[in-house]
Amino acid sequence: NAGVTQTPKFQVLKTGQSMTLQCAQDMNHNSMYWYRQDPGMGLRLIYYSASEGTTDKGEVPNGYNVSRLNKREFSLRLESAAPSQTSVYFCASSVKSPLHFGNGTRLTVT
Amino acid sequence: GQQLNQSPQSMFIQEGEDVSMNCTSSSIFNTWLWYKQDPGEGPVLLIALYKAGELTSNGRLTAQFGITRKDSFLNISASIPSDVGIYFCAGLGSPFGNEKLTFGTGTRLTIIP
Repeated sequence: NAGVTQTPKFQVLKTGQSMTLQCAQDMNHNSMYWYRQDPGMGLRLIYYSASEGTTDKGEVPNGYNVSRLNKREFSLRLESAAPSQTSVYFCASSVKSPLHFGNGTRLTVT
Repeated sequence: GQQLNQSPQSMFIQEGEDVSMNCTSSSIFNTWLWYKQDPGEGPVLLIALYKAGELTSNGRLTAQFGITRKDSFLNISASIPSDVGIYFCAGLGSPFGNEKLTFGTGTRLTIIP
């Protein structure tokens, strides 16, 4: 049972480039989330999807878009990357329970 | 948004020592969660607390939901090398709706040889 799988594990982008972070879960969870983790700031919610077909903004949504492709998959897109988006990104899923996290994508924007 | 103050920010201890860390909030929470993050991995749930005053253990770990509902504590007894990592508290103001989960800034635990 893989749980929550994120790809890629590492990525380096130049300012202005775009990319999509992929996330898939095999636990049949309804809700999925994207967080970013920065030193000294804990985990901050970017976007979430309470169920297939719905997405909502979290605490820090600016500069990001998301797509809930189906129940399993929830992608995060950076249309024009900025150095401030250098961070570790975590996807998580849940169904009326504490979150289950993936292993993260470490993104560096130069 | 809501603020969670987690302390200490870092701890340097010797193997076998006991560890204590805590989180305090400016608002009331109905759920407190404690997660551990190993290097290069995502956070993993250690203990969940759902009732004020609740004391819950998971092996050498014990966590308490403060009676005021504005704080929580995590204790680790007789630390071992695999306890190294970052510990996060998280609070939720309602039973469901994880989108409202607020995370503390973490306590980094290091064991000195």
